[in-house]
Amino acid sequence: DIQMTQSPSSVSSSVGDRVTITCRASQGINSYLAWYQQKPGEAPELLIYTASNLQSGVPSRFSGSGSGTDFTLTISSLQPEDFATYYCQQASGFPLTFGGGTKVELK
Amino acid sequence: EVQLVESGGGFVQPGGSLRLSCAASGFTFYSYAMNWVRRAPGRGLEWVSSIPGTSESTYYADSVKGRFTISRDNSKNTVFLQMNSLRAEDTAVYYCAKATSGYYLFDLWGRGTLVTVSS
Repeated sequence: DIQMTQSPSSVSSSVGDRVTITCRASQGINSYLAWYQQKPGEAPELLIYTASNLQSGVPSRFSGSGSGTDFTLTISSLQPEDFATYYCQQASGFPLTFGGGTKVELK
Repeated sequence: EVQLVESGGGFVQPGGSLRLSCAASGFTFYSYAMNWVRRAPGRGLEWVSSIPGTSESTYYADSVKGRFTISRDNSKNTVFLQMNSLRAEDTAVYYCAKATSGYYLFDLWGRGTLVTVSS
């Protein structure tokens, strides 16, 4: 199975900060990676697919990069509505696996 | 409107069964793989099961293999998850999710249905 390791598990930031979250795969997954945002009581929402493609309707302050085993989600200027938990997910093979999540909290 | 609506969750005793349903609308249902993902209390997202558009194969997490069965009815735009031999650790919100074209990445999610397994 492909393990997805996210870091950090939580981050305290202020509005306007640049936030970077990393995701490492235990083996190469090409670019078969997505990033999701989940707020309490809500369903997850796709932000980035195939590592670097911005999902329609998602603000441009979100960006993704990487390929192979190392990936990054960047929020260029944190907004109040961005405080949430973020997950990466690989789709290189079954079983599909998620990272453990990164909670972005208000400092 | 493009949406997924889950139903069928509830309270069940260990060893019991439940059948979840997910009704899709607003897209060409048979063209996309459908999936179930869960989130247990205090934990992260966990993929459960997937089924391609034509049901030629099915995929399961090891934690549910042999107990859960995914199926779909393309005539009714509905995907199902039959859950048998339920355990306390199956307690979670279960989400239905549509895969993107060509990849098992999830671009549309339902609001989820809560399954509670307890004696």
